[in-house]
Amino acid sequence: EAGVVQSPRYKIIEKKQPVAFWCNPISGHNTLYWYRQNLGQGPELLIRYENEEAVDDSQLPKDRFSAERLKGVDSTLKIQPAELGDSAVYLCASSGDRTRFEQFFGPGTRLTVL
Amino acid sequence: LAKTTQPISMDSYEGQEVNITCSHNNIATNDYITWYQQFPSQGPRFIIQGYKTKVTNEVASLFIPADRKSSTLSLPRVSLSDTAVYYCLVGERGSARQLTFGSGTQLTVLP
Repeated sequence: EAGVVQSPRYKIIEKKQPVAFWCNPISGHNTLYWYRQNLGQGPELLIRYENEEAVDDSQLPKDRFSAERLKGVDSTLKIQPAELGDSAVYLCASSGDRTRFEQFFGPGTRLTVL
Repeated sequence: LAKTTQPISMDSYEGQEVNITCSHNNIATNDYITWYQQFPSQGPRFIIQGYKTKVTNEVASLFIPADRKSSTLSLPRVSLSDTAVYYCLVGERGSARQLTFGSGTQLTVLP
């Protein structure tokens, strides 16, 4: 079974530029999560989707961050414009109905904002 | 959400048993205790989950005392490849609430 796929794995941009991250969850998983992980810290939830509905986006900085999950499968997280403090690893995870306590994480996208 | 406290780092040698303790004094009745492992440049990976007493799988054991205010993750006979960050999380199993990760425990296994 394929795991959670994320791309790109690495991204370097200059501040004020836009950037987008893509995630393909495990087939059949209807819950999708986006996390941000700063160096030396644990992952912090940004947004959670149940199918195509964003059910928890309280931690998402809505002035510059946006996300979508069209058709309830793939998801895209966007930052526009990026700031220096956005440098972090962005992790996507998914879980299925029967194993909601277990989240399956992708390898993440390491973003560097110069 | 119940807050967890765990050591920042631990060192061990190959072949030894490692015990990482997590404190969660405010754990709620419906909360489960879950541990994740994270290697560098990878996302966290589920290790084990339990509610009370002892749970064992092919990777680790989880010991939970009767008052459930703490838990201990036990890794038998660690190897160099067990060097990773270990996170203790507390929350309702199957709940809509998100998992809250702390800073975790950096375990370093030495040869």
